[in-house]
Amino acid sequence: EVQLVESGGGLVQPGRSLRLSCAASGFTFDDYALYWVRQAPGKGLEWVSGISWNSGSIGYADSVKGRFTVSRDNAKNSLYLQMNSLRAEDTALYYCAKGFNTYYFDYWGQGTLVTVSS
Amino acid sequence: QSALTQPASVSGSPGQSITISCTGTSSDVGSYNLVSWYQQHPGKAPKLMIYEVSKRPSGVSNRFSGSKSGNTASLTISGLQAEDEADYYCCSYAGSNTLIFGGGTKLTVL
Repeated sequence: EVQLVESGGGLVQPGRSLRLSCAASGFTFDDYALYWVRQAPGKGLEWVSGISWNSGSIGYADSVKGRFTVSRDNAKNSLYLQMNSLRAEDTALYYCAKGFNTYYFDYWGQGTLVTVSS
Repeated sequence: QSALTQPASVSGSPGQSITISCTGTSSDVGSYNLVSWYQQHPGKAPKLMIYEVSKRPSGVSNRFSGSKSGNTASLTISGLQAEDEADYYCCSYAGSNTLIFGGGTKLTVL
């Protein structure tokens, strides 16, 4: 059974940093691209970042480019999102998602909540 | 990167068909047959319903279908059922390893 478990969320002040993690199991981790998608409270989905199986292709939404860094450790079956210079508008539930045929998301975690507030 | 445009809400009665549109630009929906649709029930993670414009993942009902014309993709749900009531999001590849979602559509089954 595919499982994606996010962690690392919490309350953080504007301008500070936070690192999210996603622990994966139930599939061959290094065969698939992985993604971060976020959802602000009561709002829609927003794609944040994606990373290919070998970290050779990486993409970011304009809203986070230059502030967030995605990475993965295939030996640890883990995905990460380093978030710097956090803003109030980064407040959201952050989902980790497994790629399907590269550009789609077939499995999602339950999310980790990030709240940016003073 | 502006969000794809979806109607805020649509509604239909059980048994009817509804269509949700998703309008992008020539830089995303219009350039790639890489459009997907997700269903999200309240408090739950999204579920992939359609990929590559019109393909259904294993286990998704054939009542769900997708299409695309120019810069606009569409999701059609036929034989509407109460369990279809949810939020629906389109998503498209937008080049340079980026993806973009629509603003979401709330489907109400009357």
